[in-house]
Amino acid sequence: NAGVTQTPKFQVLKTGQSMTLQCAQDMNHNSMYWYRQDPGMGLRLIYYSASEGTTDKGEVPNGYNVSRLNKREFSLRLESAAPSQTSVYFCASSEALRSLETQYFGPGTRLLVL
Amino acid sequence: AQSVTQPDIHITVSEGASLELRCNYSYGATPYLFWYVQSPGQGLQLLLKYFSGDTLVQGIKGFEAEFKRSQSSFNLRKPSVHWSDAAEYFCAVGAYGGATNKLIFGTGTLLAVQP
Repeated sequence: NAGVTQTPKFQVLKTGQSMTLQCAQDMNHNSMYWYRQDPGMGLRLIYYSASEGTTDKGEVPNGYNVSRLNKREFSLRLESAAPSQTSVYFCASSEALRSLETQYFGPGTRLLVL
Repeated sequence: AQSVTQPDIHITVSEGASLELRCNYSYGATPYLFWYVQSPGQGLQLLLKYFSGDTLVQGIKGFEAEFKRSQSSFNLRKPSVHWSDAAEYFCAVGAYGGATNKLIFGTGTLLAVQP
């Protein structure tokens, strides 16, 4: 099992450009998440998907959109990138949307917006 | 509102020495508590979690953590640190019995291990 995979690993964008971060999991998990990690701020939840066909906003959703393409895949889109979106983005998944469930994380995407 | 505080931003210990990383949480009911580790350039990996029962929880890689309700703490310990333990450690809290799995993470403690 690969677990949670993310592409790309690194990306440099110019302000105003758009891009999609891809995430896939092969653990047959129902729930998936997108976080961003910034120095001194820990991880903050951007969006999550309880199950296929549903998505909800997290703590910091502004400037992002998501798509739960199927049970395996959950993508994050930046329509018009801004320097404030420079961060490391992590995708995670869990069996279900319950607080006791372990979340499994991908290796991250490092994004620099100039 | 739920919150997690990791008061130590950076800790350095010698290889073979004991380790304790502090975590304090704020939550109105019994929380679910987690410790994750992030090695350089990697994603987060679960070390251990607590949601009920014995307040001393054993995890992977020789780590343990103790839930102390009276102190609102969930400190991570290891009796003898190895050089491979150098990483960033995150404490997280989840809502008890909640329908959503919105983990709240602390800001992390970066552990350096001296030879």
